[in-house]
Amino acid sequence: GAVVSQHPSWVICKSGTSVKIECRSLDFQATTMFWYRQFPKQSLMLMATSNEGSKATYEQGVEKDKFLINHASLTLSTLTVTSAHPEDSSFYICSATPGLSNYGYTFGSGTRLTVV
Amino acid sequence: DAKTTQPPSMDCAEGRAANLPCNHSTISGNEYVYWYRQIHSQGPQYIIHGLKNNETNEMASLIITEDRKSSTLILPHATLRDTAVYYCIEEQGAQKLVFGQGTRLTINP
Repeated sequence: GAVVSQHPSWVICKSGTSVKIECRSLDFQATTMFWYRQFPKQSLMLMATSNEGSKATYEQGVEKDKFLINHASLTLSTLTVTSAHPEDSSFYICSATPGLSNYGYTFGSGTRLTVV
Repeated sequence: DAKTTQPPSMDCAEGRAANLPCNHSTISGNEYVYWYRQIHSQGPQYIIHGLKNNETNEMASLIITEDRKSSTLILPHATLRDTAVYYCIEEQGAQKLVFGQGTRLTINP
C-alpha cells in the first residue's frame, strides 16, 4: 500500500532557530501534500495544502512566513518552522495523495517538535 | 471547518462489534466520507472510505445512509488494539481532509 515517510520523528531545537521537516511519498507520486499540526488532546488542524511546483495554500490564521512549505518534486515536501518559539511546540503530520479520484490520503507518522 | 459530528467518546467490550456513528449532513454529491483512526502519538491510520454504497474491507465495514447524511463505521470484533480516536471526515471539495474532534473509542476487556 501507499507509504508516506516523515523525518525526523522528533526534534528539539532552541528558541529562535529554524527546523525543517521532510515528508516523502515512497511508492507513489504525490501531486498534493498536506501539513497538519496537532496539540495535546486536540484534533489535527490543517495548516496548508501544497501542490507540486506551485505555492502552498495556507489555511486561515496560519502564518505563511513562519511555516515555509516547499513541494519541489512529486515525492517530497518540506515544512520549515522559522524562528521557532516554545508555542510552536507541537506534533506536525504530513499527508499525501496522488490526486486520483478515490485513491485516498496517506499520512506520515508525525514529527514531535519541542522548542526550548 | 470540519463538517462532521461524532460522539466524543464510546466504550465497547472486547470481542463485540463497535458501531461508531457520524453525521455529515452537508456532504455534496462527489465528496467521499473517510474514516481514520489515531493511536496516541502516531499518524492517522486509514480505515475505509465510501461515496454512496456500503463498503467492507479487512478492517471494517462502512454503512452509508441512502441520503448520505450519516454513516456508521463497524468494527466487527473489537480488540484492545482498536482503542483509538476515530475520525469521520467529509472530503472537502474532493480535495482535502479537514478533521473534526473524532470519537475516542475505548475497548474494555
